[in-house]
Amino acid sequence: EVQLVQSGAEVKKPGESLKISCEGSGYSFFGYWIGWVRQMPGKGLEWMGIIYPDDSRTIYSPSFQGQVTLSADKSISTAYLQWSSLKASDSAMYYCARFRGATFRQTWFDPWGQGTLVTVSS
Amino acid sequence: QSALTQPPSASGSPGQSVTISCTGTSSDVGAYNSVSWYQQRPGKAPKVVIYEVNERPSGVPDRFSGSKSGNTASLTVSGLQAEDEADYYCSSYAGSTNFVVFGGGTKLTVL
Repeated sequence: EVQLVQSGAEVKKPGESLKISCEGSGYSFFGYWIGWVRQMPGKGLEWMGIIYPDDSRTIYSPSFQGQVTLSADKSISTAYLQWSSLKASDSAMYYCARFRGATFRQTWFDPWGQGTLVTVSS
Repeated sequence: QSALTQPPSASGSPGQSVTISCTGTSSDVGAYNSVSWYQQRPGKAPKVVIYEVNERPSGVPDRFSGSKSGNTASLTVSGLQAEDEADYYCSSYAGSTNFVVFGGGTKLTVL
């Protein structure tokens, strides 16, 4: 079974750093792009960026460029999303998802991880 | 404000059909056959129900169908069932700069 399992919920203070993870199983992790999506409380989905684990190529949404960093370790089939200095406005659910299109022009995501809830509060 | 426009809510009785629209522009929905639809039940992760405008992943009931005309895509759920009650999001490839855009989501209520 193809599966993405994300790390657990985090509670942090403003200014702290954070790295959350997304571990893939049941497929060749290195060969599929992994995307990250933010969902703020009670709001819709926002695409943050994608990473190709085989060579760590990344594409960031203009809205998130410079705000977060995507990385991956293909040796342990894990992708990461990290912040160097969290803000209260980073409080949200974060999902990873496997890119499935044959090309970028056929973009869709499946499956999705279960989500990681990040709470940033003083 | 989301890049793609969806109605905030839709509803129908069991057994009826409901259609949810997703309006973009000639730079996203209108430019590519890359519209996908995701179902998100309360407290759960999104799950794809339609990809590439009208393709259905294995395991998704054939009650779900998709279409596109110009800059507007649509998801139709036929033979509504209680389990279809969820939020539905459309998404499209939007070119090399924005890459992926989502709609604001539509809450589908089964009456």
